[in-house]
Amino acid sequence: QVVLVESGGGVVQPGGSLRLSCAASGFTFSNYGLHWVRQAPGKGLEWLAFVRHDADNKYYGDSVKGRFTISRDNSKSTLYLQMDSLRVEDTAVYYCAKDLGHSGNGPDFWGQGTLVTVSS
Amino acid sequence: QSVLTQPPSASGTPGQRVTISCSGSSSNIGGHTVNWYQQFPGTAPKLLIYNNNQRPSGVPDRFSGSKSGTSASLAISGLQSEDESDYYCAAWDGSLSGRVFGGGTKLTVL
Repeated sequence: QVVLVESGGGVVQPGGSLRLSCAASGFTFSNYGLHWVRQAPGKGLEWLAFVRHDADNKYYGDSVKGRFTISRDNSKSTLYLQMDSLRVEDTAVYYCAKDLGHSGNGPDFWGQGTLVTVSS
Repeated sequence: QSVLTQPPSASGTPGQRVTISCSGSSSNIGGHTVNWYQQFPGTAPKLLIYNNNQRPSGVPDRFSGSKSGTSASLAISGLQSEDESDYYCAAWDGSLSGRVFGGGTKLTVL
């Protein structure tokens, strides 16, 4: 079965950096696109970024464009999110999710999430 | 303010049929497929409907999706207490070159 496990969350000061990882298993990792989605406390879902199966194309939400970088290592079945210039409003649970296909039909399976808290 | 507009709340009694709407524009719902997600508090979202009206394996046929023009709907028939949850619509937005979610609808089973 599909399993996605996020790690790397924690407390960071405003302006700081953090790298999230998402270890995947249960499917052919290199055949599928992958997403990062977050949810601030008590708020709705916010899509952040998508990378195609071959990592050739990446897309970002406006709120993180230029600050966050999505990447993947198909040899390690791992997805990453490098987060720089963090702001208080980036505080949220961050989910990685597998796409329905390879080119962005939307997430189907989600990880359990990792909490990022940006606070001084 | 979400790009896709959902009512913040909906309610129904057991056995009833309820619908949740999702309104967008030509750049998202009007030109791309819609997915729906169910999320219980403290847990990850679960895919309920994809490609406007397709159910993943394991999703009861009480759940159905439809799309017309720039709007989509999720219908739940034979409402059960365990359907009390948050529901989100989502679609690709060609103008933004990214995916967008609705603000979510909290469904209460009375």
